[in-house]
Amino acid sequence: DAGVIQSPRHEVTEMGQEVTLRCKPISGHNSLFWYRQTMMRGLELLIYFNNNVPIDDSGMPEDRFSAKMPNASFSTLKIQPSEPRDSAVYFCASSPHHRGSNQPQHFGDGTRLSIL
Amino acid sequence: GIQVEQSPPDLILQEGANSTLRCNFSDSVNNLQWFHQNPWGQLINLFYIPSGTKQNGRLSATTVATERYSLLYISSSQTTDSGVYFCAVGGETSGSRLTFGEGTQLTVNP
Repeated sequence: DAGVIQSPRHEVTEMGQEVTLRCKPISGHNSLFWYRQTMMRGLELLIYFNNNVPIDDSGMPEDRFSAKMPNASFSTLKIQPSEPRDSAVYFCASSPHHRGSNQPQHFGDGTRLSIL
Repeated sequence: GIQVEQSPPDLILQEGANSTLRCNFSDSVNNLQWFHQNPWGQLINLFYIPSGTKQNGRLSATTVATERYSLLYISSSQTTDSGVYFCAVGGETSGSRLTFGEGTQLTVNP
């Protein structure tokens, strides 16, 4: 079975440009998570969705960041305008969701983002 | 929010040795997961273990929720076990949110 698929794997762009990261969760998983990993802050949750609905976006750093999940098989994380401090590895993860019960999260291979 | 502390921060072993990694957390949890990040950066879920004991091959994990800690055991370590091991926890008011520890960097030498 295919795992979580993220694209692109690498992105290098100049500050001020719009960046769009994409994620396809594992089929049948109805929870989707966006994480960011940096040396300074480690792994931190940005936002997660249940059944395409944003549940907790308290980790989204500021208004320059936005995330959408238009359907069960696709999500985007957008940064506009991008800044050098946004450089990081961005991971998407998915899990099954059952009311009142957490499930293992499975991660994609990440997008390594560099803002010059 | 919940605080997560992992120890040791770094560990160097010879192939074949056993090791124990520890995760302490500051509050009650209903979600605890162990991950391995390999040298290529991939994050692999090892265990979902909010309580009790589980085993998968050479790896096993135990969580004692009442005492707020979890242990990951690696037996007969191999060079492919190298990488960073993360503990991540979620409390009863966290929904599905996980808070990650800083990880244990494991190096297994041949």
